[in-house]
Amino acid sequence: GAVVSQHPSRVICKSGTSVKIECRSLDFQATTMFWYRQFPKQSLMLMATSNEGSKATYEQGVEKDKFLINHASLTLSTLTVTSAHPEDSSFYICSARNRELGRSYNSPLHFGNGTRLTVT
Amino acid sequence: DAKTTQPNSMESNEEEPVHLPCNHSTISGTDYIHWYRQLPSQGPEYVIHGLTSNVNNRMASLAIAEDRKSSTLILHRATLRDAAVYYCILRAQGGSEKLVFGKGTKLTVNP
Repeated sequence: GAVVSQHPSRVICKSGTSVKIECRSLDFQATTMFWYRQFPKQSLMLMATSNEGSKATYEQGVEKDKFLINHASLTLSTLTVTSAHPEDSSFYICSARNRELGRSYNSPLHFGNGTRLTVT
Repeated sequence: DAKTTQPNSMESNEEEPVHLPCNHSTISGTDYIHWYRQLPSQGPEYVIHGLTSNVNNRMASLAIAEDRKSSTLILHRATLRDAAVYYCILRAQGGSEKLVFGKGTKLTVNP
């Protein structure tokens, strides 16, 4: 089945540093990828929609200058958390849709296994 | 997308069937019903989706009420590995590509 690979799975960084998270679709092309954040015991919150070759669309309340998203190819999107602070510690998850399968209402999204970010 | 309502939690015993309900009374005619689940410390996983007819796949069955205002995800024989949070989500035909998660139902499977 379709696989989305997310790297790293865990990262610990110091406050003020930047962290890059990669999301790759391994066996399909994804024109659209989505980035979510999940705090403990809460549901997933959509942060932004990443479109290949264009600027990401951010959800209300998400700082685009803090969470930099790049979607340079049909198989790779990256999320960079800039100047990370302890409150940015969270579980970050990406997802992608196989563009060959048609519209999203009738095809599944494939999710990565998430990145656990801890900012000390 | 229209709203869904699910119980916060449910319990089941291993190897017994599990029926996870979802209410979506404001569903429109073009809304597809999708189910995802999230195992602990993992990303969500697609389970099944349907529009009007009941659907079966290797993971589960989806029973959709005739008026489409509710649906039920059926796990025929629960295993310990089915312990997860199950999300029922409506996706509108022609609507946004975004997948918006509610709180879901946390399923506990007892050995």
